[in-house]
Amino acid sequence: EAGVAQSPRYKIIEKRQSVAFWCNPISGHATLYWYQQILGQGPKLLIQFQNNGVVDDSQLPKDRFSAERLKGVDSTLKIQPAKLEDSAVYLCASSGGGWATDTQYFGPGTRLTVL
Amino acid sequence: GNSVTQMEGPVTLSEEAFLTINCTYTATGYPSLFWYVQYPGEGLQLLLKATKADDKGSNKGFEATYRKETTSFHLEKGSVQVSDSAVYFCALPRDNTDKLIFGTGTRLQVFP
Repeated sequence: EAGVAQSPRYKIIEKRQSVAFWCNPISGHATLYWYQQILGQGPKLLIQFQNNGVVDDSQLPKDRFSAERLKGVDSTLKIQPAKLEDSAVYLCASSGGGWATDTQYFGPGTRLTVL
Repeated sequence: GNSVTQMEGPVTLSEEAFLTINCTYTATGYPSLFWYVQYPGEGLQLLLKATKADDKGSNKGFEATYRKETTSFHLEKGSVQVSDSAVYFCALPRDNTDKLIFGTGTRLQVFP
């Protein structure tokens, strides 16, 4: 079974530029999560999708971050414009049912450096 | 709301030493508890979980027991290997949801 795929693995941009990350969850997983992991910290949830609908985006800085999950499969996370403090690893995860006991499966992440 | 606290690292051990990484939680009710591991250059992967009080999760020689009396979920392994070197995260769901709250992570370094 293929795992969660993410691309690119690394991205370096200058502040005020825009950037987009892509995620392909495990086949059949209805729930998709985007996390931000700043160096030395645990991941923090940015947004959660159930199929193609947003379940929770309360922690997403909506003035600069946006995300979509068209057709309930792939997802993209965009930052525009980027700030220095956005430097982090962006992790995508998926799970089958969105239950509290479910295992979330993580992709390898995209490491973003904002100069 | 729910929260988790884990010991700071790094934890440095010699191969075959005994490992304990402490994790304590604050929660409403008895949510599932998780340990995730992040190997260098990789994403997080589930190491083990316990879905109710007094349960013991185990995997790859690691164990953790859900202790409601001490609100703890400490990770243990009897004999660590160099390949166990990684960052370990304790996690639990946010209040009555499936959204995970992670601890700050504990880096384990095992030397031969």
